[in-house]
Amino acid sequence: ILNVEQSPQSLHVQEGDSTNFTCSFPSSNFYALHWYRWETAKSPEALFVMTLNGDEKKKGRISATLNTKEGYSYLYIKGSQPEDSATYLCAFKPGYSSASKIIFGSGTRLSIRP
Amino acid sequence: NAGVTQTPKFQVLKTGQSMTLQCAQDMNHEYMSWYRQDPGMGLRLIHYSVGAGITDQGEVPNGYNVSRSTTEDFPLRLLSAAPSQTSVYFCASTRGGSPRDTQYFGPGTRLTVL
Repeated sequence: ILNVEQSPQSLHVQEGDSTNFTCSFPSSNFYALHWYRWETAKSPEALFVMTLNGDEKKKGRISATLNTKEGYSYLYIKGSQPEDSATYLCAFKPGYSSASKIIFGSGTRLSIRP
Repeated sequence: NAGVTQTPKFQVLKTGQSMTLQCAQDMNHEYMSWYRQDPGMGLRLIHYSVGAGITDQGEVPNGYNVSRSTTEDFPLRLLSAAPSQTSVYFCASTRGGSPRDTQYFGPGTRLTVL
């Protein structure tokens, strides 16, 4: 059974502070890693697509890095704002079976204190 | 485009009742999936389909049936509802199996089984 773990489970951060959290996934049979942002009362939306070891992606104040050899990805938020409050999910796509078998982590729930 | 639509948004069932959750997408995506979301457990894959006429089991398939007679529709059937099936159900579609294809989620169906 493939395990995708995210830590911490929840995080409370002061507005303006920077923060980061982790997604750990199996280091073998890597195909892709996706990050999703999930706001309360909405559906998850894709944030980053990461496919190569060493990938770095950035969207505004949010960035992500990928290490496929050791099986982890970091998501960074610089200068947190209240609108960053959401659950951030990572999703691992293994390469050995149907690419539709995506395994989601349980998410990091981020709350920004004004 | 409406994207991924799900009906109903809310449903209350009694133990033993059956029902079908509807899901449709208008993006001509090949892949469709059903997930359930439970507190602290992230999104768990119930069933998925890689094309019309093709379905397969995910991580938690017991108690659920699916069919895919058209590209657009992917209904999820609960055969005999149990309280353990109380959850929020998300349908998702993906263009295909490439590493860059991300999931597009519907708005979710909140199901309570009494």
